[in-house]
Amino acid sequence: DGGITQSPKYLFRKEGQNVTLSCEQNLNHDAMYWYRQDPGQGLRLIYYSQIVNDFQKGDIAEGYSVSREKKESFPLTVTSAQKNPTAFYLCATSSQGNSNQPQHFGDGTRLSIL
Amino acid sequence: AQSVTQPDIHITVSEGASLELRCNYSYGATPYLFWYVQSPGQGLQLLLKYFSGDTLVQGIKGFEAEFKRSQSSFNLRKPSVHWSDAAEYFCAVGLLDSNYQLIWGAGTKLIIKP
Repeated sequence: DGGITQSPKYLFRKEGQNVTLSCEQNLNHDAMYWYRQDPGQGLRLIYYSQIVNDFQKGDIAEGYSVSREKKESFPLTVTSAQKNPTAFYLCATSSQGNSNQPQHFGDGTRLSIL
Repeated sequence: AQSVTQPDIHITVSEGASLELRCNYSYGATPYLFWYVQSPGQGLQLLLKYFSGDTLVQGIKGFEAEFKRSQSSFNLRKPSVHWSDAAEYFCAVGLLDSNYQLIWGAGTKLIIKP
């Protein structure tokens, strides 16, 4: 979606390093989500935020952290505690945090271990 | 537990042939239903959605899907595929008793034979 920008497109992490993935949206959506995608699996929810200054853990939050200081931005930090971070990370938004709202996706960040 | 099953990991179809991708869900009520498409290295794009009413829904790119309550299914169809339809397709359900959660299928990769 043109309204959701994820950066960088590719990211490499060294052992013991924290890295931060950026997600910015100009859709004026309230809700934002981070998913992890591994080959042969569906999307797994890491964190989600329904409003500014509030966020909740998803199914696989261990080793990750987020912040939601602005409506437009929802950065994801992959910490050194995440022992298997190699994956494709997708940021999504929806107009409201309801399960009947379609989610709109960025183009993803591919994270690899050096 | 709620789940979404896409039984086919890969499907190969000749260009111009018809297509049906299967999706079954396990949930105690009729959920909100979505189909998304993902091109390699990209984010997901919404193809269509079903909330209520007519069980045959039309989407973008010539796709349609039919909801069958008795079979807990929401299969995606296209009368004639084009090479540009080669991608991965994901079925997702939104739960009525959740204010955010989508449950995702593992995806079906569509391969088009010339």
